[in-house]
Amino acid sequence: NAGVTQTPKFQVLKTGQSMTLQCAQDMNHEYMSWYRQDPGMGLRLIHYSVGAGITDQGEVPNGYNVSRSTTEDFPLRLLSAAPSQTSVYFCASSYSIARPSYNEQFFGPGTRLTVL
Amino acid sequence: SQELEQSPQSLIVQEGKNLTINCTSSKTLYGLYWYKQKYGEGLIFLMMLQKGGEEKSHEKITAKLDEKKQQSSLHITASQPSHAGIYLCGAETDKLIFGTGTRLQVFP
Repeated sequence: NAGVTQTPKFQVLKTGQSMTLQCAQDMNHEYMSWYRQDPGMGLRLIHYSVGAGITDQGEVPNGYNVSRSTTEDFPLRLLSAAPSQTSVYFCASSYSIARPSYNEQFFGPGTRLTVL
Repeated sequence: SQELEQSPQSLIVQEGKNLTINCTSSKTLYGLYWYKQKYGEGLIFLMMLQKGGEEKSHEKITAKLDEKKQQSSLHITASQPSHAGIYLCGAETDKLIFGTGTRLQVFP
């Protein structure tokens, strides 16, 4: 299994540009999520999905869109990039979020995004 | 508002010393995870705690979840430079969230 893969690893955008961060997992996991990591802020949840066709907002959803058309893929779209979106983005997946949960979250290697 | 608070925010210890990192929640925890992140890399799963009073160990790292399931501690015995990194607690409340992280440096 490849686990959780993210592309690209690095990206530089200009303010106002749009782009999509790709995330895929091959473990048949129901739950997928996107986090951003900023210095001193830890990981903050952007959006998450509990299954194909179902998405919901996390702590910091503004400026981002997601969709979940398949179990495997969970792309994150930046609609109009802003310097405040400069961050490291992590995608994660786990088998289920149902309680009681016995699930380890698997993380991708991250995408380092800079918005100029 | 941050539902998971970690303390301290950063820690610098001499090799061989013991240390403790705390993670406190404002809500009851259904599952508490500890991850480690090396600088510039992804997250590595350390352990998960579910039951109040549960304690797990892996090599020199021990984590506990208190009886009320609102606080967890991570204890490292005889720290080594390889323990350096950022330690993050994650928890399930109504969704999966993470604390702000504790940056650990271990000097010889």
